[in-house]
Amino acid sequence: KNQVEQSPQSLIILEGKNCTLQCNYTVSPFSNLRWYKQDTGRGPVSLTIMTFSENTKSNGRYTATLDADTKQSSLHITASQLSDSASYICVVTRGAAGNKLTFGGGTRVLVKP
Amino acid sequence: GAGVSQSPSNKVTEKGKDVELRCDPISGHTALYWYRQRLGQGLEFLIYFQGNSAPDKSGLPSDRFSAERTGESVSTLTIQRTQQEDSAVYLCASSPRFADSILRYEQYFGPGTRLTVT
Repeated sequence: KNQVEQSPQSLIILEGKNCTLQCNYTVSPFSNLRWYKQDTGRGPVSLTIMTFSENTKSNGRYTATLDADTKQSSLHITASQLSDSASYICVVTRGAAGNKLTFGGGTRVLVKP
Repeated sequence: GAGVSQSPSNKVTEKGKDVELRCDPISGHTALYWYRQRLGQGLEFLIYFQGNSAPDKSGLPSDRFSAERTGESVSTLTIQRTQQEDSAVYLCASSPRFADSILRYEQYFGPGTRLTVT
C-alpha cells in the first residue's frame, strides 16, 4: 500500500532553535519527494523537491534529505523564526507520469518567542 | 504574475444543495488538480486534468462529485446534494506540464475554498 507517514504530528520550538521533521514512505515506484509549507488558511507552497538520485536539497533555512534506500526523508529548519509556524507536508510522487501523489498528514510546527 | 485563484473563498450551504467551486489556473499551465482537505487532516486527491486527455477521476469519493475543465482554462468542481461530511477546504493546483523523472514541475496551489455544509 502506498503510504507516507510523518512525525511528529506536531511540535513546539523556541524561536532561534533548530528542528527536524521526519517522513517515511512506502510509495512505489518512486519518482520524487517534495516538502510543502502550508500556512493556516493558505494553500501549500513548495519548499524542496528531490528525485531518487538527490540526497539533499536546501532552500534558505530549510534543508531536506532523502535516503531512497531506507525510504526516509527529513526536513531540517535552522534558526527557526516565528514565520516558520505552519504545517509541513511531505508528498511522494509515484510513477513517471507524475500525477500520482501521496500526501503525508503533515507536521504542525509552532515557533514561540 | 498572477497565481492560481479560486472562488468563492468561503461557501456555506445547506445539506442537500448543490455547490459549484471554481479554479482559475496559472495561464499556460496544462495540468490541474483538485484536492480536499478536511479540518486537521492531510490533502486527499480528487481529480486531475492534463491538457485534452481524459481526466483521472480516481480520487472522487462518490458520484455526487464531478469536475469539468475546458481545454487548459478554468475548472469547476461540482458537488451535488451536499452532505455534512463534504465540509472541507477544496484546493486547486496547477502545473505547467507533466512532471516526469527528469523534468520536475511544481504544483502551484490556490488559496482554497472553505465549504461548510450545515
